Amino acid sequence: ETGVTQSPTHLIKTRGQQVTLRCSSQSGHNTVSWYQQALGQGPQFIFQYYREEENGRGNFPPRFSGLQFPNYSSELNVNALELDDSALYLCASSRTDLYGYTFGSGTRLTVV
Amino acid sequence: AQTVTQSQPEMSVQEAETVTLSCTYDTSESDYYLFWYKQPPSRQMILVIRQEAYKQQNATENRFSVNFQKAAKSFSLKISDSQLGDAAMYFCAYRRVNSGGSNYKLTFGKGTLLTVNP
Repeated sequence: ETGVTQSPTHLIKTRGQQVTLRCSSQSGHNTVSWYQQALGQGPQFIFQYYREEENGRGNFPPRFSGLQFPNYSSELNVNALELDDSALYLCASSRTDLYGYTFGSGTRLTVV
Repeated sequence: AQTVTQSQPEMSVQEAETVTLSCTYDTSESDYYLFWYKQPPSRQMILVIRQEAYKQQNATENRFSVNFQKAAKSFSLKISDSQLGDAAMYFCAYRRVNSGGSNYKLTFGKGTLLTVNP
């Protein structure tokens, strides 16, 4: 069984730029969630996608957006990057009928 | 809103000994799930153990066990016979049971950094 793969592993962007992070879900999982983990903090829920639609969102502004594709892979897009967006971004996939989550190893985003 | 509190930013234990990590949570729900995740330097969150709130029996997974006190809203993790590979950040997390939308989200605590000394 495949795990969750995220790319890239590290990324440096300039304030004001846009970034796209990618996630390939575990085989058989139809739901994907994204989390932001600032340094020294626990992960914070950004949003969740099911059947290619966002069906849950945390306290993040609209410049954080996402996509889920028919093969259940996903993207997280962040526009107008701010310094505070520097964090580890984690993707987690799951099946809606189960409560287990499989996490990827994350993308470390640094905004300068 | 649900909150999860881990009051121990750091803990240390000698190899082969036992350590307990604390977690408290706040919720008005009667049914929910609780989790302990381990995050080593590789950054991937690894599920250690989970507990369904409707089950009175405490969950165990090999050397890992929990003490779930529902009335006190406490969910501690005990690691027995600690090994060097147990060194990591440990996060306690909560999830509602009801289906749909952001109910599937995990709410995490701030974590406890566990050091295992040889």
